[in-house]
Amino acid sequence: DGGITQSPKYLFRKEGQNVTLSCEQNLNHDAMYWYRQDPGQGLRLIYYSQIVNDFQKGDIAEGYSVSREKKESFPLTVTSAQKNPTAFYLCASRSPTGTSNQPQHFGDGTRLSIL
Amino acid sequence: GQQVMQIPQYQHVQEGEDFTTYCNSSTTLSNIQWYKQRPGGHPVFLIQLVKSGEVKKQKRLTFQFGEAKKNSSLHITATQTTDVGTYFCAGHPSGNTGKLIFGQGTTLQVKP
Repeated sequence: DGGITQSPKYLFRKEGQNVTLSCEQNLNHDAMYWYRQDPGQGLRLIYYSQIVNDFQKGDIAEGYSVSREKKESFPLTVTSAQKNPTAFYLCASRSPTGTSNQPQHFGDGTRLSIL
Repeated sequence: GQQVMQIPQYQHVQEGEDFTTYCNSSTTLSNIQWYKQRPGGHPVFLIQLVKSGEVKKQKRLTFQFGEAKKNSSLHITATQTTDVGTYFCAGHPSGNTGKLIFGQGTTLQVKP
């Protein structure tokens, strides 16, 4: 969707290496989300943030870390502790928190592979 | 934990046939949203249902939200090749507006 930029589109990680996926939005959305998508498993929530300087673990947070220092940015770091990082990673945002009726807007995703 | 189950996982239809995907939640939902993901793309919001028993239509697509607000369905009439993709339902559990729980998705293939 327009307004959410994920980079890079493709990323390769070496064993034991941390990598950071970028997600930037200019939609003025308070809430941002990171999902992992594997074939046949739908979208699984990694982390989410409803406000700057605050974030919560999702269902599969182990091996990942995030920060939310700016409203526009929600980078995801895939650490070496994540033993199976090969997946399609999707970032999403939603406006504003406390209003559950708003849809999520997704970026184009980053495909991460192990070298 | 809270789960949203979606069936079937895959569906192959001949162009012109109808298609339905079903979504069931283990807990009551405050609303349910439907998304479509084209091959190689990202999920795109289709619609939201909020009221118990609500039915909404978008051209050939009909969306329903169950009376107990725990299940939903998407029905496509007379499928076209442009309908190909994966359809996801996603719900906000009642009382928690921050987290959206996605179903596993139904991948639709349409043979011309």
